[in-house]
Amino acid sequence: DTEVTQTPKHLVMGMTNKKSLKCEQHMGHRAMYWYKQKAKKPPELMFVYSYEKLSINESVPSRFSPECPNSSLLNLHLHALQPEDSALYLCASRPSSGVGGEQYFGPGTRLTVT
Amino acid sequence: AQSVTQPDIHITVSEGASLELRCNYSYGATPYLFWYVQSPGQGLQLLLKYFSGDTLVQGIKGFEAEFKRSQSSFNLRKPSVHWSDAAEYFCAVGISNFGNEKLTFGTGTRLTIIP
Repeated sequence: DTEVTQTPKHLVMGMTNKKSLKCEQHMGHRAMYWYKQKAKKPPELMFVYSYEKLSINESVPSRFSPECPNSSLLNLHLHALQPEDSALYLCASRPSSGVGGEQYFGPGTRLTVT
Repeated sequence: AQSVTQPDIHITVSEGASLELRCNYSYGATPYLFWYVQSPGQGLQLLLKYFSGDTLVQGIKGFEAEFKRSQSSFNLRKPSVHWSDAAEYFCAVGISNFGNEKLTFGTGTRLTIIP
């Protein structure tokens, strides 16, 4: 199994909703990432988890709350989002978080905040 | 500060023609360089990477890239494009951040293929 899966594929939520995005990999990778990608822009790093511990938070608003319950699973909990948070949310994983390795990306979750 | 520049926002080439996508980086140390491709609404797929050694690297789908330290460039090439190559292409540099690697992406180049 050499893929990163993300669910759901699409999500529409209101500004008062609470929802979660899920990312899963079974490649034994120990580093996992969340990115946000707006239309016609490159991905922007949000969070990095290394060995299930949060190692990088790119000053992301607290309405985004990441969680790494185990080495295969990464969640992104969403609460009180704004319309400008509508974007493609990408998850990625790597064997480790040190320099020099490629990241494997999932297909993304298309989020629309109404 | 580290940065990646892709000077061409949009390139159109005919099917069967050759392709070169430009990428310039600014980074003080030895860079780890990547090219990713993204089809509409999809995730990113790695085409190739450069860490060290031979400066001409081969990737998937017939792509290659050449690292030129003197020009701070890592241009992507393909001798003959196919209609399926139409996509967004991102150059990225891997930067160490307290032992963790972060990817800094260029703004991307959208490739259109005409018959």
